Amino acid sequence: AQSVTQPDIHITVSEGASLELRCNYSYGATPYLFWYVQSPGQGLQLLLKYFSGDTLVQGIKGFEAEFKRSQSSFNLRKPSVHWSDAAEYFCAVGPMEYGNKLVFGAGTILRVKS
Amino acid sequence: EPEVTQTPSHQVTQMGQEVILRCVPISNHLYFYWYRQILGQKVEFLVSFYNNEISEKSEIFDDQFSVERPDGSNFTLKIRSTKLEDSAMYFCAITQGEGTEAFFGQGTRLTVV
Repeated sequence: AQSVTQPDIHITVSEGASLELRCNYSYGATPYLFWYVQSPGQGLQLLLKYFSGDTLVQGIKGFEAEFKRSQSSFNLRKPSVHWSDAAEYFCAVGPMEYGNKLVFGAGTILRVKS
Repeated sequence: EPEVTQTPSHQVTQMGQEVILRCVPISNHLYFYWYRQILGQKVEFLVSFYNNEISEKSEIFDDQFSVERPDGSNFTLKIRSTKLEDSAMYFCAITQGEGTEAFFGQGTRLTVV
């Protein structure tokens, strides 16, 4: 069965510091991989996606993520965090077949210290 | 990025009542989805809908739930007899085609009292 693990429930970083949020997945083939962000009381906004090709993908708001097949990981990174990045981040996996569902991780809550 | 509008943003209902949550995608779209997020828990898939029929549903999506596109535009989720444990944020999502990402609405917060 597909599953997504985000091992860190909460992470606190100082403004300006670098950030890495971890995501590991379990899936029988090469999946589609996504990171979504949810600000308090808001919906889910897509940060970036990996379908194929270059394993380092760039997203919005200065985020990037690297797909590592050997580690079944898709970690999200940002070189310098801004206070406005405080939110909950969800990693999700979807199958290659068109139109099928996403499986989400439990989320990581990011707090930013000023 | 396509827009997905959900109404209402917040609904409070009494246990046992029926609720209808609405989703209006503002774009060309092919697949529709409902997900829910119970407070403090992960986002869970409920159902996907394509070509006017359910294409996949989860164990959560039991007989009290139903979906339809009554007028070819709105996509609705009906909960026939709400229970306290149905209290959650419900998200509508769409995908536009093969190999494309899902875009989510802002969600409807359902509170069952």
